[in-house]
Amino acid sequence: EPEVTQTPSHQVTQMGQEVILRCVPISNHLYFYWYRQILGQKVEFLVSFYNNEISEKSEIFDDQFSVERPDGSNFTLKIRSTKLEDSAMYFCASSPQGYEQYFGPGTRLTVT
Amino acid sequence: KNEVEQSPQNLTAQEGEFITINCSYSVGISALHWLQQHPGGGIVSLFMLSSGKKKHGRLIATINIQEKHSSLHITASHPRDSAVYICAVPPDTGTASKLTFGTGTRLQVTL
Repeated sequence: EPEVTQTPSHQVTQMGQEVILRCVPISNHLYFYWYRQILGQKVEFLVSFYNNEISEKSEIFDDQFSVERPDGSNFTLKIRSTKLEDSAMYFCASSPQGYEQYFGPGTRLTVT
Repeated sequence: KNEVEQSPQNLTAQEGEFITINCSYSVGISALHWLQQHPGGGIVSLFMLSSGKKKHGRLIATINIQEKHSSLHITASHPRDSAVYICAVPPDTGTASKLTFGTGTRLQVTL
């Protein structure tokens, strides 16, 4: 069964560094999402992406964040100049029609 | 914004017991998601349902759109069912993205 994959599974970075989290959505899906979960808290929506552009973003998704679909298969989340509070689990999801969402296993980002 | 409440927050059961987890939301929606989060953190989609009932193995999900309430049932629970179960809803009936998540129900099934 097709699944969403994410790499790396765990990323450790120093404060101020840039990180890129990668996701490979399910083939033929058209809608893509990033969510994050700070340890002990609820999962939160970050951004949705459709037709090569951001369709919606939360107040969390500020200029520090960007998303890209560079090659038609990968979907990336870039965090510029990471802060300690960016430490979280980041989940990617994809959807064929914008309703049922399929989640990846997540990338645990630790900022030191 | 759709407010989501789950109950109970924590649940301990003995193997074989029937489990019920509840989810209520404040704004009418087109469909609701039930998700399972393993101790390692990964999330698995269990169900998306817009009406009635869905069954997958020992898991059953029901939704009452009028009452804005959904339940997840686990029959003949097993220790491998131990996980956090999360419901998630869109903001309203018109959109499907931007899910709002509940705080989750932490289930532990003991032998």
